[in-house]
Amino acid sequence: AQSVTQLDSHVSVSEGTPVLLRCNYSSSYSPSLFWYVQHPNKGLQLLLKYTSAATLVKGINGFEAEFKKSETSFHLTKPSAHMSDAAEYFCVVRSQFSGGYNKLIFGAGTRLAVHP
Amino acid sequence: GAVVSQHPSRVICKSGTSVKIECRSLDFQATTMFWYRQFPKQSLMLMATSNEGSKATYEQGVEKDKFLINHASLTLSTLTVTSAHPEDSSFYICSAREGTGEAFFGQGTRLTVV
Repeated sequence: AQSVTQLDSHVSVSEGTPVLLRCNYSSSYSPSLFWYVQHPNKGLQLLLKYTSAATLVKGINGFEAEFKKSETSFHLTKPSAHMSDAAEYFCVVRSQFSGGYNKLIFGAGTRLAVHP
Repeated sequence: GAVVSQHPSRVICKSGTSVKIECRSLDFQATTMFWYRQFPKQSLMLMATSNEGSKATYEQGVEKDKFLINHASLTLSTLTVTSAHPEDSSFYICSAREGTGEAFFGQGTRLTVV
Protein backbone atom coordinates (compact mmCIF):
# COMPACT_ATOMS: atom_id res chain seq x y z
CA ALA A 1 0.00 0.00 0.00
CA GLN A 2 1.06 3.56 -0.61
CA SER A 3 1.28 6.22 2.06
CA VAL A 4 2.88 9.55 2.82
CA THR A 5 4.13 10.93 6.11
CA GLN A 6 4.56 14.63 6.64
CA LEU A 7 7.08 14.92 9.40
CA ASP A 8 6.04 18.32 10.74
CA SER A 9 2.51 19.40 11.55
CA HIS A 10 3.59 23.04 11.94
CA VAL A 11 6.50 24.99 10.51
CA SER A 12 7.19 28.62 11.33
CA VAL A 13 9.66 30.79 9.42
CA SER A 14 10.50 34.44 9.07
CA GLU A 15 9.78 36.26 5.86
CA GLY A 16 12.73 36.03 3.51
CA THR A 17 14.17 32.86 5.05
CA PRO A 18 14.16 29.39 3.44
CA VAL A 19 11.24 27.00 3.73
CA LEU A 20 11.56 23.23 4.15
CA LEU A 21 8.50 21.02 4.44
CA ARG A 22 9.35 17.36 4.83
CA CYS A 23 7.59 14.39 3.31
CA ASN A 24 8.44 10.71 3.22
CA TYR A 25 6.56 8.22 1.13
CA SER A 26 6.01 4.50 1.11
CA SER A 27 5.39 2.74 -2.17
CA SER A 28 6.16 -0.63 -3.67
CA TYR A 29 6.54 0.84 -7.12
CA SER A 30 7.74 4.07 -8.68
CA PRO A 31 5.26 6.60 -7.32
CA SER A 32 3.66 9.77 -8.61
CA LEU A 33 4.02 12.43 -5.95
CA PHE A 34 2.44 15.84 -5.57
CA TRP A 35 2.46 18.87 -3.32
CA TYR A 36 -0.75 20.86 -2.92
CA VAL A 37 -1.37 24.12 -1.07
CA GLN A 38 -4.60 25.07 0.64
CA HIS A 39 -5.38 28.56 1.87
CA PRO A 40 -8.03 28.93 4.60
CA ASN A 41 -11.48 27.79 3.51
CA LYS A 42 -10.28 27.29 -0.03
CA GLY A 43 -9.80 24.36 -2.33
CA LEU A 44 -6.45 22.89 -3.21
CA GLN A 45 -3.95 24.21 -5.70
CA LEU A 46 -1.27 22.03 -7.25
CA LEU A 47 2.23 23.33 -6.54
CA LEU A 48 4.21 20.67 -8.36
CA LYS A 49 4.30 17.00 -9.27
CA TYR A 50 6.83 14.23 -9.80
CA THR A 51 6.00 11.53 -12.34
CA SER A 52 9.32 9.70 -12.91
CA ALA A 53 10.97 12.35 -15.04
CA ALA A 54 13.55 14.75 -13.56
CA THR A 55 14.10 14.21 -9.85
CA LEU A 56 14.24 17.94 -9.12
CA VAL A 57 10.82 19.35 -9.81
CA LYS A 58 10.12 23.06 -10.07
CA GLY A 59 6.66 24.33 -9.30
CA ILE A 60 4.74 27.54 -9.03
CA ASN A 61 5.52 30.48 -6.73
CA GLY A 62 9.20 29.56 -6.44
CA PHE A 63 8.65 26.16 -4.81
CA GLU A 64 10.57 23.06 -5.76
CA ALA A 65 10.90 19.50 -4.51
CA GLU A 66 13.47 16.78 -4.96
CA PHE A 67 12.57 13.13 -5.31
CA LYS A 68 15.13 10.98 -3.49
CA LYS A 69 14.44 7.31 -3.95
CA SER A 70 17.22 6.20 -1.58
CA GLU A 71 15.66 8.25 1.20
CA THR A 72 12.03 7.77 0.08
CA SER A 73 11.63 11.50 0.46
CA PHE A 74 10.00 14.31 -1.48
CA HIS A 75 10.70 17.44 0.55
CA LEU A 76 9.30 20.80 -0.52
CA THR A 77 11.57 23.84 -0.45
CA LYS A 78 11.57 27.51 -1.25
CA PRO A 79 14.61 29.79 -0.96
CA SER A 80 12.80 32.78 0.47
CA ALA A 81 9.43 32.73 2.21
CA HIS A 82 6.77 35.32 1.50
CA MET A 83 3.90 36.27 3.75
CA SER A 84 1.47 34.95 1.16
CA ASP A 85 3.01 31.47 1.50
CA ALA A 86 1.29 31.01 4.86
CA ALA A 87 -1.10 28.11 4.26
CA GLU A 88 -1.59 24.37 4.70
CA TYR A 89 0.56 22.12 2.52
CA PHE A 90 -0.24 18.54 1.62
CA CYS A 91 2.11 15.90 0.29
CA VAL A 92 0.20 13.42 -1.84
CA VAL A 93 0.92 10.08 -3.50
CA ARG A 94 -1.18 8.60 -6.25
CA SER A 95 -2.21 5.05 -5.47
CA GLN A 96 -1.50 2.20 -7.78
CA PHE A 97 -4.19 1.62 -10.35
CA SER A 98 -6.71 -0.86 -8.95
CA GLY A 99 -10.40 -1.42 -8.94
CA GLY A 100 -10.84 0.65 -12.07
CA TYR A 101 -9.24 3.84 -10.87
CA ASN A 102 -6.33 5.22 -8.91
CA LYS A 103 -6.76 7.76 -6.18
CA LEU A 104 -4.79 10.39 -4.32
CA ILE A 105 -3.62 9.61 -0.80
CA PHE A 106 -3.03 12.70 1.31
CA GLY A 107 -0.55 13.29 4.07
CA ALA A 108 -1.73 14.86 7.31
CA GLY A 109 -0.66 18.31 6.20
CA THR A 110 1.86 20.89 7.38
CA ARG A 111 0.74 24.33 8.43
CA LEU A 112 3.26 26.95 7.39
CA ALA A 113 3.34 30.21 9.30
CA VAL A 114 5.39 33.14 8.00
CA HIS A 115 6.33 35.93 10.38
CA PRO A 116 7.41 39.44 9.43
CA GLY B 1 -5.06 25.00 -15.48
CA ALA B 2 -8.50 23.49 -15.78
CA VAL B 3 -11.31 24.86 -13.65
CA VAL B 4 -13.59 22.98 -11.31
CA SER B 5 -16.46 24.96 -9.87
CA GLN B 6 -18.12 23.87 -6.65
CA HIS B 7 -21.38 25.33 -5.40
CA PRO B 8 -22.40 26.51 -2.88
CA SER B 9 -19.29 27.67 -1.06
CA ARG B 10 -21.16 27.83 2.22
CA VAL B 11 -24.46 26.35 3.36
CA ILE B 12 -26.27 26.23 6.66
CA CYS B 13 -29.13 23.80 7.05
CA LYS B 14 -31.38 22.50 9.77
CA SER B 15 -30.88 19.08 11.24
CA GLY B 16 -32.91 16.47 9.38
CA THR B 17 -32.91 18.25 6.04
CA SER B 18 -30.95 17.33 2.92
CA VAL B 19 -28.31 19.40 1.18
CA LYS B 20 -27.02 19.11 -2.37
CA ILE B 21 -23.53 20.19 -3.40
CA GLU B 22 -22.62 20.57 -7.07
CA CYS B 23 -19.26 20.06 -8.70
CA ARG B 24 -18.75 21.14 -12.32
CA SER B 25 -15.81 20.86 -14.65
CA LEU B 26 -15.90 24.01 -16.75
CA ASP B 27 -13.43 23.34 -19.56
CA PHE B 28 -12.82 19.61 -19.68
CA GLN B 29 -14.69 16.33 -19.51
CA ALA B 30 -14.56 14.91 -16.01
CA THR B 31 -14.63 11.18 -16.56
CA THR B 32 -13.85 10.66 -12.88
CA MET B 33 -14.85 12.77 -9.90
CA PHE B 34 -13.79 12.43 -6.30
CA TRP B 35 -15.50 13.67 -3.15
CA TYR B 36 -13.49 14.44 -0.03
CA ARG B 37 -14.35 15.47 3.48
CA GLN B 38 -12.07 17.59 5.62
CA PHE B 39 -12.53 18.16 9.34
CA PRO B 40 -10.95 21.25 10.93
CA LYS B 41 -7.18 21.14 10.99
CA GLN B 42 -7.15 17.69 9.42
CA SER B 43 -6.29 16.22 6.07
CA LEU B 44 -8.63 15.31 3.25
CA MET B 45 -10.37 11.98 3.50
CA LEU B 46 -11.66 10.42 0.32
CA MET B 47 -15.35 9.60 0.59
CA ALA B 48 -16.14 8.21 -2.83
CA THR B 49 -15.11 8.04 -6.45
CA SER B 50 -17.51 8.22 -9.36
CA ASN B 51 -17.10 7.52 -13.03
CA GLU B 52 -19.56 9.15 -15.40
CA GLY B 53 -22.59 6.98 -15.89
CA SER B 54 -21.62 4.48 -13.21
CA LYS B 55 -22.45 4.03 -9.57
CA ALA B 56 -20.04 5.64 -7.17
CA THR B 57 -17.47 3.59 -5.30
CA TYR B 58 -17.51 4.47 -1.61
CA GLU B 59 -14.60 4.23 0.77
CA GLN B 60 -14.88 1.98 3.77
CA GLY B 61 -16.95 3.53 6.53
CA VAL B 62 -18.80 5.99 4.29
CA GLU B 63 -22.56 5.47 4.26
CA LYS B 64 -23.73 5.43 0.66
CA ASP B 65 -27.36 5.98 1.62
CA LYS B 66 -26.43 9.09 3.54
CA PHE B 67 -24.04 10.58 1.02
CA LEU B 68 -25.70 10.19 -2.36
CA ILE B 69 -23.47 10.80 -5.34
CA ASN B 70 -24.69 11.31 -8.85
CA HIS B 71 -22.38 11.68 -11.84
CA ALA B 72 -24.89 11.89 -14.65
CA SER B 73 -22.81 13.86 -17.13
CA LEU B 74 -19.18 14.49 -18.02
CA THR B 75 -19.28 17.92 -16.45
CA LEU B 76 -21.41 17.55 -13.35
CA SER B 77 -21.39 15.50 -10.18
CA THR B 78 -23.54 16.11 -7.13
CA LEU B 79 -23.19 15.07 -3.51
CA THR B 80 -26.40 15.04 -1.47
CA VAL B 81 -26.12 14.81 2.29
CA THR B 82 -29.41 13.27 3.34
CA SER B 83 -31.01 13.82 6.74
CA ALA B 84 -28.09 15.93 7.81
CA HIS B 85 -27.02 16.06 11.44
CA PRO B 86 -24.57 18.33 13.26
CA GLU B 87 -21.84 15.69 13.02
CA ASP B 88 -22.04 16.00 9.23
CA SER B 89 -20.81 19.57 9.51
CA SER B 90 -17.54 19.67 7.62
CA PHE B 91 -15.70 21.03 4.61
CA TYR B 92 -16.51 19.02 1.49
CA ILE B 93 -14.22 19.20 -1.54
CA CYS B 94 -14.62 17.69 -4.97
CA SER B 95 -12.01 17.04 -7.59
CA ALA B 96 -12.33 16.06 -11.22
CA ARG B 97 -10.08 14.35 -13.71
CA GLU B 98 -10.19 13.63 -17.40
CA GLY B 99 -8.92 10.13 -18.11
CA THR B 100 -5.74 9.49 -16.15
CA GLY B 101 -4.69 13.13 -16.17
CA GLU B 102 -4.22 15.56 -13.35
CA ALA B 103 -7.02 16.00 -10.82
CA PHE B 104 -8.30 19.54 -10.32
CA PHE B 105 -10.03 20.62 -7.13
CA GLY B 106 -13.10 22.68 -6.46
CA GLN B 107 -13.12 25.53 -3.97
CA GLY B 108 -14.87 23.48 -1.31
CA THR B 109 -18.21 23.75 0.49
CA ARG B 110 -18.48 24.58 4.17
CA LEU B 111 -21.54 22.74 5.49
CA THR B 112 -22.94 23.68 8.88
CA VAL B 113 -25.85 21.71 10.26
CA VAL B 114 -27.71 23.41 13.11
